[in-house]
Amino acid sequence: EPEVTQTPSHQVTQMGQEVILRCVPISNHLYFYWYRQILGQKVEFLVSFYNNEISEKSEIFDDQFSVERPDGSNFTLKIRSTKLEDSAMYFCASKILAGVGDTQYFGPGTRLTVL
Amino acid sequence: DAKTTQPTSMDCAEGRAANLPCNHSTISGNEYVYWYRQIHSQGPQYIIHGLKNNETNEMASLIITEDRKSSTLILPHATLRDTAVYYCIVRVAPQGGSEKLVFGKGTKLTVNP
Repeated sequence: EPEVTQTPSHQVTQMGQEVILRCVPISNHLYFYWYRQILGQKVEFLVSFYNNEISEKSEIFDDQFSVERPDGSNFTLKIRSTKLEDSAMYFCASKILAGVGDTQYFGPGTRLTVL
Repeated sequence: DAKTTQPTSMDCAEGRAANLPCNHSTISGNEYVYWYRQIHSQGPQYIIHGLKNNETNEMASLIITEDRKSSTLILPHATLRDTAVYYCIVRVAPQGGSEKLVFGKGTKLTVNP
């Protein structure tokens, strides 16, 4: 069964450093998402992406964040200058452009630790 | 998205049915009920969704009341691996848009041996 994959599984970085989290969505999916979950808190929406553009973003997704689909398979989240409060699990999700089949499928996540 | 209310936690004996309730009294006519679960810190896993009719798949059954103000997710024979946080989410009808999922705190289901 096709799956969303994410790399790395765990990223440790120093405050102020740039990080890139990578995702490979399910191959025929067209909508892509990033969510995050701070330890012990809810899963929060960050951004959605379709047709090489951001469709929607949350208040969390400020100028320090960016997303890109550099090729036909990868979908990346970049944090330019990490802060301690960016420490969280980051989940990528994708869905196929369809009606009833509009279900988001999530990857296993990347644990980001900012020191 | 309409607000949902779920119990904070529930327990279930292994092998028995787990029935997880969700109230969504302000649901609109075109809003679907989705269920996801999250095992430990893994990515949320899709379980099932429905609009009006009851639905069943290989993982679970979804029972939606006639007035659509509440629903119940049923895991027919719970196993220890079903221990997870279960999220009930109400969404507008899928139309190919970029609709985000809004997660609440969910129900922590513990399946006991």
